[in-house]
Amino acid sequence: GNSVTRMEGPVTLSEEAFLTINCTYTATGYPSLFWYVQYPGEGLQLLLKATKADDKGSNKGFEATYRKETTSFHLEKGSVQVSDSAVYFCALSDPYNDYKLSFGAGTTVTVRA
Amino acid sequence: EADIYQTPRYLVIGTGKKITLECSQTMGHDKMYWYQQDPGMELHLIHYSYGVNSTEKGDLSSESTVSRIRTEHFPLTLESARPSHTSQYLCASRETGRDSPLHFGNGTRLTVT
Repeated sequence: GNSVTRMEGPVTLSEEAFLTINCTYTATGYPSLFWYVQYPGEGLQLLLKATKADDKGSNKGFEATYRKETTSFHLEKGSVQVSDSAVYFCALSDPYNDYKLSFGAGTTVTVRA
Repeated sequence: EADIYQTPRYLVIGTGKKITLECSQTMGHDKMYWYQQDPGMELHLIHYSYGVNSTEKGDLSSESTVSRIRTEHFPLTLESARPSHTSQYLCASRETGRDSPLHFGNGTRLTVT
């Protein structure tokens, strides 16, 4: 079945550092890809999305490009802030299962001042 | 601000009790979902609904049940709670369409003692 995999465990970095969170996926067909963010004590919120190959999603300084050739959707931000501390989830919608979303394990990001 | 509401936010109950977790949304979405979020932060789909009187089990086996009598309301019930049910439960809804994102509630954190 379709699935997403996040590539690293908790990430701790200093303010203004560069952030990358890797995400690769396994899918048949052409899924849409999403990044969600979960701030402490809250539910998940959509951060950005991309619906076809080579699309770039962006929001709040975060970017991710849908790479079909490497089946990846890595999340990047050039200069993180303390307020970016949260848990980040990669997800895909399954075009053969009525576009239900499958989530990878979350990546906890802690940004220190 | 949230257009999807979950109550209670926190619940501590004893083994064997029957509980209902409430979820309501005001966006008129036909599709609603329940996810269980485990300590490793992965999300697992346990139930979903595509409209009134439609309910299906998700990918993760669950001893809970759901109902969908009204479009806006999607409660989840545990007939007899056990310590293994201790987890966070997230409710979500979305519009029909491959690119439509999930809107999440803030979750119910359940502890069964």
